[in-house]
Amino acid sequence: AQTVTQSQPEMSVQEAETVTLSCTYDTSESDYYLFWYKQPPSRQMILVIRQEAYKQQNATENRFSVNFQKAAKSFSLKISDSQLGDAAMYFCAYSWTQGAQKLVFGQGTRLTINP
Amino acid sequence: DAGITQSPRHKVTETGTPVTLRCHQTENHRYMYWYRQDPGHGLRLIHYSYGVKDTDKGEVSDGYSVSRSKTEDFLLTLESATSSQTSVYFCAIGTPREQYFGPGTRLTVT
Repeated sequence: AQTVTQSQPEMSVQEAETVTLSCTYDTSESDYYLFWYKQPPSRQMILVIRQEAYKQQNATENRFSVNFQKAAKSFSLKISDSQLGDAAMYFCAYSWTQGAQKLVFGQGTRLTINP
Repeated sequence: DAGITQSPRHKVTETGTPVTLRCHQTENHRYMYWYRQDPGHGLRLIHYSYGVKDTDKGEVSDGYSVSRSKTEDFLLTLESATSSQTSVYFCAIGTPREQYFGPGTRLTVT
């Protein structure tokens, strides 16, 4: 079965600094999607970034980028120039590319931004 | 924002009572999902639907049933609520590349 592990329950960073959140996963599939979701105190789940496994290039979205290491089954999220609004729970997730496309989530990392 | 709503948004109920949560979408997506969120576990899939009247179990389906009689509505029922079902419940719709989540329902079973 596919599993997703986030080994950092909590992280903190100074405003304007860079922080990296870690995620590892286990799968026997060769094609799949990986995601980072943000959940602020409002509880809304917000998609931050998506990586397609067949693409070697790491995905980027403005201040957010990933380091996707397919062989190592590692998928970390880097947040540059951290802002107070980045404070949230961050979830790593895995999805199949075919069929029901259900998501498998990691346990989450709570990110605190220190002013 | 994707057109997905959940009702109710908050509910307190007593052990042993039946509870139904509703998810409504206006996006005509084929797939709909119910997840629960608990501290230390992230979100876990309860049930999902791949079409009208087509549903299947997820990893934490015990104690829950679902129904989908229309494309736009996906109902989650707790036949006899227990304290272990106190949680935040999220509905989602989507494609392989992206799932959109509803605002969540906080359910407390006393």
